[in-house]
Formats: sequence, structure tokens, C-alpha cells
Amino acid sequence: EADIYQTPRYLVIGTGKKITLECSQTMGHDKMYWYQQDPGMELHLIHYSYGVNSTEKGDLSSESTVSRIRTEHFPLTLESARPSHTSQYLCASSPRWSMNTEAFFGQGTRLTVV
Amino acid sequence: AQRVTQPEKLLSVFKGAPVELKCNYSYSGSPELFWYVQYSRQRLQLLLRHISRESIKGFTADLNKGETSFHLKKPFAQEEDSAMYYCALRQTIQGAQKLVFGQGTRLTINP
Repeated sequence: EADIYQTPRYLVIGTGKKITLECSQTMGHDKMYWYQQDPGMELHLIHYSYGVNSTEKGDLSSESTVSRIRTEHFPLTLESARPSHTSQYLCASSPRWSMNTEAFFGQGTRLTVV
Repeated sequence: AQRVTQPEKLLSVFKGAPVELKCNYSYSGSPELFWYVQYSRQRLQLLLRHISRESIKGFTADLNKGETSFHLKKPFAQEEDSAMYYCALRQTIQGAQKLVFGQGTRLTINP
């Protein structure tokens, strides 16, 4: 079934650890996005990609990095996690923009750095 | 700067009462606006988009360029409408297209 998947759903990890949040979509979408959302706050775009080998930084500065080696895969990496990285991370994808396209979101990864 | 403002973090109404979730935006170009909804334990999903002028689950939203608003309305609230609602603006800058979200409004429908 065409969908967008994020793993893990929940992650509690110690300070200084390297982590990778996975995001995969089976909808054949060109564009993919990572949003960060603190509780009760708006979603902030931190990374986006228009296709393979394309990555751009979003509106909110983030210490995380992303890669897009395959169309369906857009992982986010934190080289050294800190408590300030505690947040919810949402991955989304969309086809080429036209009047009626929308962004499809994954279930999210709730990250807690202790 | 382009931004979306949802002035109410929380909104509580009784079942059967009218609902209006406010959204104001600032954008220099021609805006494309959306409402997204997140029900409990579900993912964020599109509710409706202004370009379609559609009614989804009884909700409608009209773009008012004069007041730079895109309020979401429903004449008779139902308990299953309880959710988080996000207003979003699609912006295009130098060919890059991104969604900018508001802070969200948590709507609670009381029985």
C-alpha cells in the first residue's frame, strides 16, 4: 500500500549518541520534507529535498543533516544528540506541485534526549 | 516574512454549536492555503484546500484576501471533530515551494 513510514515512533537516547531517523515513502513522490514540532507549537521546516541528491535547509536552523540517495528514502541524522534536540520530527512527501497536490505526512518520531 | 497565525491555541464548543477556527496569513504573492487536521493518535492529514472550494466533513473555509484570513467553519459541531487543526500557507520563493504552518488550534467538542 502506498504510504509514508517513519521509524522509530519513539526514541529515548542518551546525550552524545548518534541517531538516524528513518523516513520512507512508497508513493513515488519527488519531494520530501522534515518538520520539527515542539509540544503545542507550530511545525517548522528543517530540511527538504526535490529529488535524488537534492537537499536544502529549511526555515528553522537545525544541527541535523539529511541525505537523499534514493527517491523513496530521506533519513535524518544527528551526529551527537543533545537534550535541546528533544522534539517530534515529522516527515512528509509530495508529488510535483500542482493546484491540487498535498503533502502526505508520516506518523512522526518523538525523540527524547536524556 | 510569510507567516500564518492561529490566534486560539484552544477552542471548546458544545456539540451542535457552530465552530470557527481563525487563521490569518501574511504573504506578498497570491496565497495558496490549506487546513490540515490531526485526530488523536493519527497522522497529520489534509482537510481542505482553498483552491478546491470544497466542503469536507461539513467544514468550509473561504479565502478573504482583504482581511488576509482563511477561517475554518462548520455550522454544527460533532464530537468526532475534536482534533488539532493547522492552517498552512504554501509559498514559492525562487522556485522552492514550502508549506508554512500556523501554531495549531486544539478543538474540543463537548457532549
